[in-house]
Amino acid sequence: NAGVTQTPKFQVLKTGQSMTLQCAQDMNHNSMYWYRQDPGMGLRLIYYSASEGTTDKGEVPNGYNVSRLNKREFSLRLESAAPSQTSVYFCASSGQGFVNQPQHFGDGTRLSIL
Amino acid sequence: GENVEQHPSTLSVQEGDSAVIKCTYSDSASNYFPWYKQELGKRPQLIIDIRSNVGEKKDQRIAVTLNKTAKHFSLHITETQPEDSAVYFCAASENTGTASKLTFGTGTRLQVTL
Repeated sequence: NAGVTQTPKFQVLKTGQSMTLQCAQDMNHNSMYWYRQDPGMGLRLIYYSASEGTTDKGEVPNGYNVSRLNKREFSLRLESAAPSQTSVYFCASSGQGFVNQPQHFGDGTRLSIL
Repeated sequence: GENVEQHPSTLSVQEGDSAVIKCTYSDSASNYFPWYKQELGKRPQLIIDIRSNVGEKKDQRIAVTLNKTAKHFSLHITETQPEDSAVYFCAASENTGTASKLTFGTGTRLQVTL
């Protein structure tokens, strides 16, 4: 049982390049999330998907797009990378219900944009 | 939107002493408050959570208290050990019935010294 798996673990891009961060979960969770973590700022929600077929903006969505490919997979795309997007990106998933369910995180993708 | 403030940003305690981390939130609709522990270079891991219908919750050396009236909640770690050294994040979420949108505090770096 791998939980939440993110690929790649590390990536270096040049300004203007594009790339997609992949996330997959094997816990049969309905909801998935993308966060970025910057020093001294905690984790900030970029986009989330409450269930397959739906996506919504979080706190910091500008410069990103997402795709909920199926129940297991939720990808994050940077169309034209900027140095301000240098960060650690975490994907998370949670079950769904009338009460909040704990979010489980992947190991993260460390992204540097030169 | 929700705003979560966390204090202190750094905390140093001697092994065996207690540690307390405090958070305040702004949105009275928030009803779920998890705490995450993050070791250097690792994923955030849930250590305890509390829902708004409960005032206190304990799990061995860890406890969380919630004061809904004052909109603050705290993490208490007793008999601290070196392996408790990490960054701790509080978070708050309103249950929308579809997904849990967590708003995180900026983290507390706890150092347990021998």
